[in-house]
Amino acid sequence: KQEVTQIPAALSVPEGENLVLNCSFTDSAIYNLQWFRQDPGKGLTSLLLIQSSQREQTSGRLNASLDKSSGRSTLYIAASQPGDSATYLCAARDFYGQNFVFGPGTRLSVLP
Amino acid sequence: DTAVSQTPKYLVTQMGNDKSIKCEQNLGHDTMYWYKQDSKKFLKIMFSYNNKELIINETVPNRFSPKSPDKAHLNLHINSLELGDSAVYFCASRSDRMNTEAFFGQGTRLTVV
Repeated sequence: KQEVTQIPAALSVPEGENLVLNCSFTDSAIYNLQWFRQDPGKGLTSLLLIQSSQREQTSGRLNASLDKSSGRSTLYIAASQPGDSATYLCAARDFYGQNFVFGPGTRLSVLP
Repeated sequence: DTAVSQTPKYLVTQMGNDKSIKCEQNLGHDTMYWYKQDSKKFLKIMFSYNNKELIINETVPNRFSPKSPDKAHLNLHINSLELGDSAVYFCASRSDRMNTEAFFGQGTRLTVV
């Protein structure tokens, strides 16, 4: 059964710093991995989708990498801003089922 | 122009009541999901429907029943609500093409008192 973990659970950084959020999954048989952002009391906003055959995906200041063999994905945020403060979730789409398995999230605070 | 919409956004009800949450997607997607986000913010799959057929039913009490009148709708009906059902429920959808992203609704915050 696929299990997804995220480290750290919470992170507080000053504005302008570059940072890395980590996501690990136990079963490398995945279709893809998706990173989401969740603001307090809000829904999930899709940030990046990495296909199982891809190593990297970029959108603006965000860069996500995927290493299937080691069961890891990272989300790199460049030049962080207070508006980046949110909870970041990764979800692995299970190869055998149809399910997206979520990690517990990393709560990010970017201080002005 | 909302891709995945849920109603209501907030639902406060008493224990023992029966309630429904509606979900609609206008993306032409083939698969729809219900997820539950508990007080610890962990998102867990409840149900998945593909072309109106149930394909996943995780260990969810029988009091929860998904109903899909057509491919664009997946409603969640809950009987005999309990305090522990209080959570945020998210609807999501995706295309059946292999590597496509999932889209989520804004969530329904259910509070059982």
